[in-house]
Amino acid sequence: GAVVSQHPSWVICKSGTSVKIECRSLDFQATTMFWYRQFPKQSLMLMATSNEGSKATYEQGVEKDKFLINHASLTLSTLTVTSAHPEDSSFYICSARRWDRDITEAFFGQGTRLTVV
Amino acid sequence: AQKVTQAQTEISVVEKEDVTLDCVYETRDTTYYLFWYKQPPSGELVFLIRRNSFDEQNEISGRYSWNFQKSTSSFNFTITASQVVDSAVYFCALSGGDGNKLVFGAGTILRVKS
Repeated sequence: GAVVSQHPSWVICKSGTSVKIECRSLDFQATTMFWYRQFPKQSLMLMATSNEGSKATYEQGVEKDKFLINHASLTLSTLTVTSAHPEDSSFYICSARRWDRDITEAFFGQGTRLTVV
Repeated sequence: AQKVTQAQTEISVVEKEDVTLDCVYETRDTTYYLFWYKQPPSGELVFLIRRNSFDEQNEISGRYSWNFQKSTSSFNFTITASQVVDSAVYFCALSGGDGNKLVFGAGTILRVKS
């Protein structure tokens, strides 16, 4: 089946630094990917929709300058948390939609646990 | 706007008991998809089922079964003869007919005790 790989699985960074998270669709092309954030014991909240070759669409309340999304190829989207602060510590998870089938199952990556110290 | 409500925050059962997780949704779309995901402590989302709005047939997969009722906008999930390995957070989710972004419920923590 389709697989979405996310890297790294976890990362600890110092406050003020930037962290890049990669999301790859391994066996299909994904023109659209989605980035979610999950705070401890809470649900997943959509942050942005990543579109290959164009700008990402951010959900209300998500700072686009802080969470930079790049979808340069049909198999890779990256989320960069710039100038990270402790409040950005969270579980980030991506998903990819497969276009060439008539189903709309969302395939999720393994998630990245970000801790900012 | 789309909304998913999982009213049960946490459920505790003893092994071998049956348990039903409730999910109520709101949408104005005539075509939409409903999902259930399991999230174990590792954090990874495990896909359980997808159901489109035109298919109200109930489904059974092993110990899992799902009851979709459009009349009550519900998509409930039942685990029969629960096991300790079923302990996890379960999310119900909804997407529009284009299959784009999912709206998740708050999740239900299921604890199965031996």
